[in-house]
Amino acid sequence: EVQLMESGGGLVKPGGSLRLSCAASGFTFGTYSMNWVRQAPGKGLEWVSSINSYSTYIFYGDSVKGRFTISRDNAKNSLYLQMDSLRAEDTAVYYCARAVRLVFDALDIWGQGTMVTVSS
Amino acid sequence: EIVLTQSPGTLSLSPGERATLSCRASQSVSSTYLAWYQQKPGQAPRLLIYDASSRATGIPDRFSGSGSGTDFTLTISRLEPEDFAVYYCQQYGDSPPNTFGQGTKVEIK
Repeated sequence: EVQLMESGGGLVKPGGSLRLSCAASGFTFGTYSMNWVRQAPGKGLEWVSSINSYSTYIFYGDSVKGRFTISRDNAKNSLYLQMDSLRAEDTAVYYCARAVRLVFDALDIWGQGTMVTVSS
Repeated sequence: EIVLTQSPGTLSLSPGERATLSCRASQSVSSTYLAWYQQKPGQAPRLLIYDASSRATGIPDRFSGSGSGTDFTLTISRLEPEDFAVYYCQQYGDSPPNTFGQGTKVEIK
């Protein structure tokens, strides 16, 4: 079964750091571009970051640029999001999602999400 | 940055009725790179349509997408009870950022 599973969410104070992980299974992870998308409580979807299969193309949304770092380990079938200098407005469910073909593409497989709460 | 505006905000319909959801872009979406997602409470989004009109794997044919340029439509030909949810459009042109619309809620009338 094709699956993505996020972990690493939790409660963190403003200014703190958190590292999210996304474990992939059921497909050849190393051949797909991957994304992080977040959703604040009761709000819509916001694209956070994209990375291509070789980690040669990496992009970030303006709201997280300079604070978040996306990476991947194809040998471990894993995607990561290092989140530093966290703010209250980063509070959201964070989803990892697989791109259909290209680094910017529709997202056909999603994880169940992990909640990040930034609060003092 | 391309801004996507979805309308209406809420659509109140009965099972069996036809639903027509709109997504309008602030500038032309390149190569019809537009997708539609369905999201139910507590669940991750589910891809329904990509490239404006291609159904994703396993999506019933009552879901269809159309449009190009700046105007796109998702049509659900006959609403089933499981179709009541929030729907998002997304554009994914050839440069960042990917952007999503604010969503349309389809609720039972």
